[in-house]
Amino acid sequence: EAGVAQSPRYKIIEKRQSVAFWCNPISGHATLYWYQQILGQGPKLLIQFQNNGVVDDSQLPKDRFSAERLKGVDSTLKIQPAKLEDSAVYLCASSLWSSGNTIYFGEGSWLTVV
Amino acid sequence: GIQVEQSPPDLILQEGANSTLRCNFSDSVNNLQWFHQNPWGQLINLFYIPSGTKQNGRLSATTVATERYSLLYISSSQTTDSGVYFCAVPWDNNNDMRFGAGTRLTVKP
Repeated sequence: EAGVAQSPRYKIIEKRQSVAFWCNPISGHATLYWYQQILGQGPKLLIQFQNNGVVDDSQLPKDRFSAERLKGVDSTLKIQPAKLEDSAVYLCASSLWSSGNTIYFGEGSWLTVV
Repeated sequence: GIQVEQSPPDLILQEGANSTLRCNFSDSVNNLQWFHQNPWGQLINLFYIPSGTKQNGRLSATTVATERYSLLYISSSQTTDSGVYFCAVPWDNNNDMRFGAGTRLTVKP
């Protein structure tokens, strides 16, 4: 069974530029999560989708971050414009359903903003 | 929302030693998961354990839901066990999983 796929793995951009990350969850998984992990901290939930609907985006900085999950499969997370403090690993994860299911993570997309 | 506290924040062991990691949470949960993040950043799910005890090789976990804590036991530790261990619980009824700050484990040969 293929795992959660993410791309790109690494990205370096200048502040005020934009960047997009892509995630393909495990086949059949209805729930998709985007987390931000700053060095030395635990992952912080940015947004949770159930199929193509948003369940929770309370911690998503909506003035610069956006995410979509068209057709309830792949998802894209965009940052525009990027700030220095956005330097982090962006982790995508998926589970069968949101209630009581094991969460599986991708390898992450490492972002450095200079 | 629910608060999650993990202890200790850092742990250094000699290879072969045993250890216990703790996760306290502030409210009742129907979902608790333990993860290991290896030095390359990959997060691996170790246990889904909202209550009771589970074992997987040298690792086992126990959640006492009524007392709002979970324990992760590592026996006969190996250098490959090094990394950060996180517990995660749902923030609210939507099961949006929130993570603790983690326990950083270093196992020395």
